[in-house]
Amino acid sequence: DAKTTQPPSMDCAEGRAANLPCNHSTISGNEYVYWYRQIHSQGPQYIIHGLKNNETNEMASLIITEDRKSSTLILPHATLRDTAVYYCIVRAPGGFKTIFGAGTRLFVKA
Amino acid sequence: DTGVSQNPRHKITKRGQNVTFRCDPISEHNRLYWYRQTLGQGPEFLTYFQNEAQLEKSRLLSDRFSAERPKGSFSTLEIQRTEQGDSAMYLCASSLYQGVSTDTQYFGPGTRLTVL
Repeated sequence: DAKTTQPPSMDCAEGRAANLPCNHSTISGNEYVYWYRQIHSQGPQYIIHGLKNNETNEMASLIITEDRKSSTLILPHATLRDTAVYYCIVRAPGGFKTIFGAGTRLFVKA
Repeated sequence: DTGVSQNPRHKITKRGQNVTFRCDPISEHNRLYWYRQTLGQGPEFLTYFQNEAQLEKSRLLSDRFSAERPKGSFSTLEIQRTEQGDSAMYLCASSLYQGVSTDTQYFGPGTRLTVL
């Protein structure tokens, strides 16, 4: 599975959009991009995933560049409860192992 | 759909004791995974099952660790002769793998083990 690179931390004002970047320049053609978040002392929470196209669900939007070498997770209206560590992961279909990096620690401030 | 559940949520034990954790996956999910997470680090893969078969084990899973999924439903993770280095959060995840596309892993709340 490809490696990902994320900034160690980011700040965001409450009510504003949080844009979390991820680089995955060695991603293979069949690997999906997944995003999880982990609020302190809880298990990782699935947010969204995508292959090529942009995706949106009730939690977030995922923008994947055309060359698939990077992506951005967008939380459209961040709240204090969105403060967490966000993990960007790439994984092949059927791959059993989810390799977590260090993630991005997002601080949402009032 | 009640999500992945894990019991106990917290376990404190003395060095040398055995401990067992239980994971109940999302109903109908055929894959079940165990991860370990130490403070400040991301989760690390330990092992996984497809139905009742244990198909992969990480080198992190020493001989003192054993996992079972006897009927392809719930799973147990046992640690024998615990050491202080075993102190960590043990996470379980499950997914529905159908072989044609990607499968999303859903995680439980974890069991936090403290070895004194």
